[in-house]
Amino acid sequence: GAGVSQSPSNKVTEKGKDVELRCDPISGHTALYWYRQSLGQGLEFLIYFQGNSAPDKSGLPSDRFSAERTGGSVSTLTIQRTQQEDSAVYLCASSQLGGTSTDTQYFGPGTRLTVL
Amino acid sequence: ILNVEQSPQSLHVQEGDSTNFTCSFPSSNFYALHWYRWETAKSPEALFVMTLNGDEKKKGRISATLNTKEGYSYLYIKGSQPEDSATYLCAFPDTGNQFYFGTGTSLTVIP
Repeated sequence: GAGVSQSPSNKVTEKGKDVELRCDPISGHTALYWYRQSLGQGLEFLIYFQGNSAPDKSGLPSDRFSAERTGGSVSTLTIQRTQQEDSAVYLCASSQLGGTSTDTQYFGPGTRLTVL
Repeated sequence: ILNVEQSPQSLHVQEGDSTNFTCSFPSSNFYALHWYRWETAKSPEALFVMTLNGDEKKKGRISATLNTKEGYSYLYIKGSQPEDSATYLCAFPDTGNQFYFGTGTSLTVIP
C-alpha cells in the first residue's frame, strides 16, 4: 500500500514568510509525528497526534510553530514568520497504534525547508 | 531531554568488510530501542525494535544486540555492500509519545 507522503519535497522561502508543510499518513494509522533535522543535529521531536486526543505539542520550539490534523488523517505543520534557523528537513511519521514504545514509525520522505 | 549518542559519527569501509557501530542511551526507565536506516533521498526505514536485555535481532547481513543494564546497543553489518551506504539512526522512546533520536552514524561502503 501507499506509504507516508509529504509535500512539498523542497521549499525555499524568504525570512518572515509563513509556510505550510503537509503530511499524508498511512491509511488507518492512528498516530502521527512531526520531527525536524537541522544540519548536524539528530531528529528532533516536534509534535505527536494520537487519534482524537489532544496533541502532545511539547517539542514545538516556539509559538510560531503550529500543527493540526484534520479528520484523524492529513496533518499540516505551519511555521509563521519563518527565520533562518527554521531551515531543516521536516519529517512526518505515522504508526499504527501510537502511545507504545514498541510501535514502528513509518516515515515520509521529508520536506527540505530553506529560509533565505 | 534524554541523551542518545551514536558513534562513530561517520565511517568509510571497503566492500566486503564487516563493521559495527554503537548507540548509547539512558539505562534507567528502558522501554525499547529502535534502529532505522536512512538512505540519501529516501525515507528512514525501520530495521529493528529491541525490547529485552540480551536481545539479538538479525535481518540478512545486519544484526543488532542490546544491553539495557549498561545502556548500549550495537549494530553489526557483515560483508558490507555499497547498498548498505546510509545513515543508521537509533531512537529511544521515553514513553509512547516522545522518541529521542541519536545524530546517526553515516556509513559509506567503497566498492
